[in-house]
Amino acid sequence: QVQLQESGPGLVKPSQTLSLTCTVSGGSISSGSFYWSWIRQHPGKGLEWIGYIYYSGSTYYNPSLETRVTMSVHTSKNQFSLKLNSVSAADTAVYYCARGLLRVDLESTMTLYYFDYWGQGTLVTVSS
Amino acid sequence: SYELTQPPSVSVSPGQTARITCFGDALPNQRAYWYQQRPGQAPVLVIYKDNERPSGIPERFSGSSSGTIVTLTISGVQAEDEADYYCQSADSRGTVVFGGGTKLTVL
Repeated sequence: QVQLQESGPGLVKPSQTLSLTCTVSGGSISSGSFYWSWIRQHPGKGLEWIGYIYYSGSTYYNPSLETRVTMSVHTSKNQFSLKLNSVSAADTAVYYCARGLLRVDLESTMTLYYFDYWGQGTLVTVSS
Repeated sequence: SYELTQPPSVSVSPGQTARITCFGDALPNQRAYWYQQRPGQAPVLVIYKDNERPSGIPERFSGSSSGTIVTLTISGVQAEDEADYYCQSADSRGTVVFGGGTKLTVL
């Protein structure tokens, strides 16, 4: 059974960098089938996709956040990481890491991209 | 970027059928997915590729698609189904969009 676990500081000061790591167990992060993703949820609000990283290191970020986001992958540790710089109170949220399946559906030729395993989430508060 | 629109809330009595809709202009060209999120928990995938159910998800959960609207149907609703439900889709580049979520209340 695949499991994901987020870790990192729960409190970050404004203008600083938020750093989180996701540790994957029960499966290899180097599997070519999966795109390792970050998703956040502001308190009492809906879900917001931040971006993904492939085991090779290629990334794709939400255009609304891409100027502040950096993701990296550490295959030897079976981990991937998120850095979000210049944070403000608007970045206070529960941050989830998730395993994404991204492929082309051979039947319809549509792109399929969805999340089948999620971490439990970690609350990051931005405050001085 | 485009949006997915869901009703904020749906209420049903136990044993009835709940239908949660999700509207998006791009949905005719994209597959949709549904997640259940109980309070304080991470989302759980309940429907993928419009109408397929992951293993372990009860048969009372089903999905359908018609043009710009996708629908999550829960037949014979149980108290444990009370949760927030989110639709999601992605474009060919892999840009992900979530709906705003629907709170399902079991009366």
